Amino acid sequence: ETGVTQSPTHLIKTRGQQVTLRCSSQSGHNTVSWYQQALGQGPQFIFQYYREEENGRGNFPPRFSGLQFPNYSSELNVNALELDDSALYLCASSLFRGNQETQYFGPGTRLLVL
Amino acid sequence: AQSVSQHNHHVILSEAASLELGCNYSYGGTVNLFWYVQYPGQHLQLLLKYFSGDPLVKGIKGFEAEFIKSKFSFNLRKPSVQWSDTAEYFCAVISTSGTYKYIFGTGTRLKVLA
Repeated sequence: ETGVTQSPTHLIKTRGQQVTLRCSSQSGHNTVSWYQQALGQGPQFIFQYYREEENGRGNFPPRFSGLQFPNYSSELNVNALELDDSALYLCASSLFRGNQETQYFGPGTRLLVL
Repeated sequence: AQSVSQHNHHVILSEAASLELGCNYSYGGTVNLFWYVQYPGQHLQLLLKYFSGDPLVKGIKGFEAEFIKSKFSFNLRKPSVQWSDTAEYFCAVISTSGTYKYIFGTGTRLKVLA
């Protein structure tokens, strides 16, 4: 157990809809990262938030957006859902220490877009 | 482009066999290196990590990995696998220069036969 929790565990949406996924970080961590893991693939980095500011972004369009709250919990929002957005969405929390950072992952939210 | 390659996509071993999973990356500069494991139905768990110092690092459950800078490699090893090692293994790299983000490999599915 890492102490990172995510909700909901499963979600079904239709194309064009919007979705919000939530993550609660491990106690003491100040950084949260979000990943998309398609079936049979490794996690793909979406973005990272440190102290409520975006601290890096992968190759995902602007319809993927995020928030980090003062208590270090986080949301991932996806607008205008597409069929290819169907995946496992992983949240990882970490304590950002300059050049050394270890991420601890939550169980994920499985999103199905129909 | 920065990338992480895991050459073995599927590996099948008998119990007590030795394991070596390959991981190569294409970053320049300083990197932090990780191996994560995902057991069936469970979330990603950290096996081991390398930041600096001794290039041979030991992790949990008898796993170890060796960082060879000249070969841009960070191979995972275990002298004697058990049935309970059946899982998917992911190599991940952070480049600590430039854009700061995790890059994961596509994973290696290991099946250990009892």
